[in-house]
Amino acid sequence: EAGVAQSPRYKIIEKRQSVAFWCNPISGHATLYWYQQILGQGPKLLIQFQNNGVVDDSQLPKDRFSAERLKGVDSTLKIQPAKLEDSAVYLCASSSSGTGWTDTQYFGPGTRLTVL
Amino acid sequence: DQQVKQNSPSLSVQEGRISILNCDYTNSMFDYFLWYKKYPAEGPTFLISISSIKDKNEDGRFTVFLNKSAKHLSLHIVPSQPGDSAVYFCAASGITSGTYKYIFGTGTRLKVLA
Repeated sequence: EAGVAQSPRYKIIEKRQSVAFWCNPISGHATLYWYQQILGQGPKLLIQFQNNGVVDDSQLPKDRFSAERLKGVDSTLKIQPAKLEDSAVYLCASSSSGTGWTDTQYFGPGTRLTVL
Repeated sequence: DQQVKQNSPSLSVQEGRISILNCDYTNSMFDYFLWYKKYPAEGPTFLISISSIKDKNEDGRFTVFLNKSAKHLSLHIVPSQPGDSAVYFCAASGITSGTYKYIFGTGTRLKVLA
């Protein structure tokens, strides 16, 4: 089966510019996650979708970050305007249900964002 | 507040020997624990997991041990192979604010020397 797809793989922008990332989860997976991984740290959950509804966005900086999951499949994460501290790898993951504590998450390759 | 800690940022092991990666957690509500492996320019891939009702889970060369009283888990790789060289993240899962969340550690970079 195809894995989680993400694009672009790399992005370089200047501060105060806008950027968007795209994710296509594994077919049939109900739950989609966006993580931010800053260099030297573990992935930090930004937002979790169950189908097309938001389950958890408590760590999403809502003044500049937004995300949507249209029709419960693909998702986009946007940053507007970007700050230097947003430089990180943005990982998308999906799981089949997201409701069970044994639900394994499958990750995409990530998008490496550099803000200059 | 780092709820999941991997205190060793890096580890070097000779090929064929045992690799032991450690992870500590602080929240007693965590009830499921996982290890992920990450190669450069790739996303993390699931390796092995353990629930809080067990103290050991084995899958081939990989064994995870859980010590709930110490809030500590470890991943043993025996024998270690050069292809095991990667960053290993432990993650803990539990209900937080009504939903299951994964909290990841900061990772340990394992280098297996040929």
